[in-house]
Amino acid sequence: KAGVTQTPRYLIKTRGQQVTLSCSPISGHRSVSWYQQTPGQGLQFLFEYFSETQRNKGNFPGRFSGRQFSNSRSEMNVSTLELGDSALYLCASSEGVWGSPLHFGNGTRLTVT
Amino acid sequence: GQQVMQIPQYQHVQEGEDFTTYCNSSTTLSNIQWYKQRPGGHPVFLIQLVKSGEVKKQKRLTFQFGEAKKNSSLHITATQTTDVGTYFCAGRDSGGGNKLTFGTGTQLKVEL
Repeated sequence: KAGVTQTPRYLIKTRGQQVTLSCSPISGHRSVSWYQQTPGQGLQFLFEYFSETQRNKGNFPGRFSGRQFSNSRSEMNVSTLELGDSALYLCASSEGVWGSPLHFGNGTRLTVT
Repeated sequence: GQQVMQIPQYQHVQEGEDFTTYCNSSTTLSNIQWYKQRPGGHPVFLIQLVKSGEVKKQKRLTFQFGEAKKNSSLHITATQTTDVGTYFCAGRDSGGGNKLTFGTGTQLKVEL
């Protein structure tokens, strides 16, 4: 099976712009989670989608949003970018049942200047 | 909210030495998972523990879940250079939901 695919791998944006990141999960996986990874804060949970519905949400401002499509692909959007949004954004897919492990993509490295 | 801390933050060892990282949650966990992230890579699932006091082994790696289900540990015997990376624990709150809270991670460096 193909792994989790995230695009693009790298992004450079300026403050105030918005950005959309894409994630294609492993075939058959219905759950997609998004995490923000920074050296200072570690892995911070953004949200989880399951069958097109947001099932869990982390403590991020409303500028961070996401959605999931009927084919389980997911997108994450960040509006009005701030310098502090610079991070590695990781997408992880799973079967979505209790205890199922997360399978991470290679991430999108976002730099905000 | 739930917090999961790991100690130590960093560990340098000589190849062949043992290594242990400890994971402590502010709340009782329904299960705990361990992940390894190589430098420049993404986290990769290692194992899951569910039962109180559970111990699981994978070759040189030994994982333990505390009796109170609020702490866990990963012990590596006779480290090798291939063990280099950051080890994360991740727990699900026993109060419900499927959100995984990741620990702060322990970065392991192994020197020859």
